[in-house]
Amino acid sequence: RKEVEQDPGPFNVPEGATVAFNCTYSNSASQSFFWYRQDCRKEPKLLMSVYSSGNEDGRFTAQLNRASQYISLLIRDSKLSDSATYLCVVNISPNAGNMLTFGGGTRLMVKP
Amino acid sequence: DAGVTQSPTHLIKTRGQQVTLRCSPISGHKSVSWYQQVLGQGPQFIFQYYEKEERGRGNFPDRFSARQFPNYSSELNVNALLLGDSALYLCASRISHFMNTEAFFGQGTRLTVV
Repeated sequence: RKEVEQDPGPFNVPEGATVAFNCTYSNSASQSFFWYRQDCRKEPKLLMSVYSSGNEDGRFTAQLNRASQYISLLIRDSKLSDSATYLCVVNISPNAGNMLTFGGGTRLMVKP
Repeated sequence: DAGVTQSPTHLIKTRGQQVTLRCSPISGHKSVSWYQQVLGQGPQFIFQYYEKEERGRGNFPDRFSARQFPNYSSELNVNALLLGDSALYLCASRISHFMNTEAFFGQGTRLTVV
């Protein structure tokens, strides 16, 4: 079983739609959580951190359920520029280390 | 301000060769991590260095090694290259090794092994 699992998609949605991505993680020792965005053939960039209380940044809302080991990302009013791969990321700190564990990514395509 | 810089951007090697990839973190950042991203998958953790010491190692064979220099730049070395080592190699820079600090990625080195 993968440590971080995501539906690979693609999710094809029209402009203006609301779309939700889910992610599950297996390591209960995971301590911090993020969504990264990766455009085609580019490096990942932090979209937002995810907190237990849930957090919102403009059209983006992230939620964390520690009991179910589940993370979600909601995008409202989708724009063409939102087309990208969205990576669910958890941070595990074994020993003195600090490693980001990535899901396989969910591909979003927003169409006119 | 310069972001994370990696060199070279593209590289083609033959099986059995050795390769060295380089990374310069953002100025003031002391933590550097390396990730391998195979096409169609998410990045996979290889190493983390902080203050020139190895702080974490992923599930990669001993053919992979790295080091961090006094100026916090880093090199990733891969020996005895295999076809399966073909991937995008990403370097991530953090101001410290604490878990909640944001990781900034370089544009990556795309390695093709033929």
